[in-house]
Amino acid sequence: GENVEQHPSTLSVQEGDSAVIKCTYSDSASNYFPWYKQELGKGPQLIIDIRSNVGEKKDQRIAVTLNKTAKHFSLHITETQPEDSAVYFCAAGGNTGTASKLTFGTGTRLQVTL
Amino acid sequence: DAGVIQSPRHEVTEMGQEVTLRCKPISGHDYLFWYRQTMMRGLELLIYFNNNVPIDDSGMPEDRFSAKMPNASFSTLKIQPSEPRDSAVYFCASSLGGSDEQYFGPGTRLTVT
Repeated sequence: GENVEQHPSTLSVQEGDSAVIKCTYSDSASNYFPWYKQELGKGPQLIIDIRSNVGEKKDQRIAVTLNKTAKHFSLHITETQPEDSAVYFCAAGGNTGTASKLTFGTGTRLQVTL
Repeated sequence: DAGVIQSPRHEVTEMGQEVTLRCKPISGHDYLFWYRQTMMRGLELLIYFNNNVPIDDSGMPEDRFSAKMPNASFSTLKIQPSEPRDSAVYFCASSLGGSDEQYFGPGTRLTVT
C-alpha cells in the first residue's frame, strides 16, 4: 500500500517568513495530493490540493509543488501570519474516477512567532 | 451550508461498555469515511462507504469495531466492548463521487477508562 512520509515534524518561523513542508510517497499510482490544516480541537480542513498532471498550484499565500518522478510534493506558505499556526497534514491517494482512499503523513506542527 | 456533523463531541466511558459514534455527511455526498487519530498512529482510515455500501473495511482494527450506514444521511461507528486503547479522536469525512476532496467533521474525542 501507499506510504507517506512528512518532514519536518515541527517548524517554527517568524511572522512574515516563509514555511516549507515536504512529503514523499511510495505508490506511483497515486495522483491526488491534498494538504490539510488542523487547528486545536477541530477536524482537518482541506486548504489546497494538486493532481499529478500539474506541477504547481497556488492560492494566495499558499502553493504546492509536485515532482512525480521523484515522488515528492511540498507545501509553501509565504508571508506567514500567527493564524497559520496549526498542524498540517499531507496525503496521497489514487483517483479512479471515484473518491480517493487517502494515506496521510504524520503531520507538521507549524508555529508562527511574533 | 452545514458541514459534516458528528455526535457526541466528547465521550467518556468505562472499559467494557458499548460506544456509538454518529455522523451526518454533507448533503448530496455519496462517500463517507471513518478515521481514527492518535498521537502514536496519526490519522488512519478505518472504513469507507459508497452509496451506503461498505467498500473497504481493511482498516477496522478488530471485530469489536463495526460501522453501518442505513441511509445516505447517517452513519454509525460502534465499539463493543470498548477498551482503553480505543481512546482517540474519531473523524467522519464525506466526499462527492468524481471529486477526491474529503471534508472532515469536528470529531468525537473518545476516552475509555
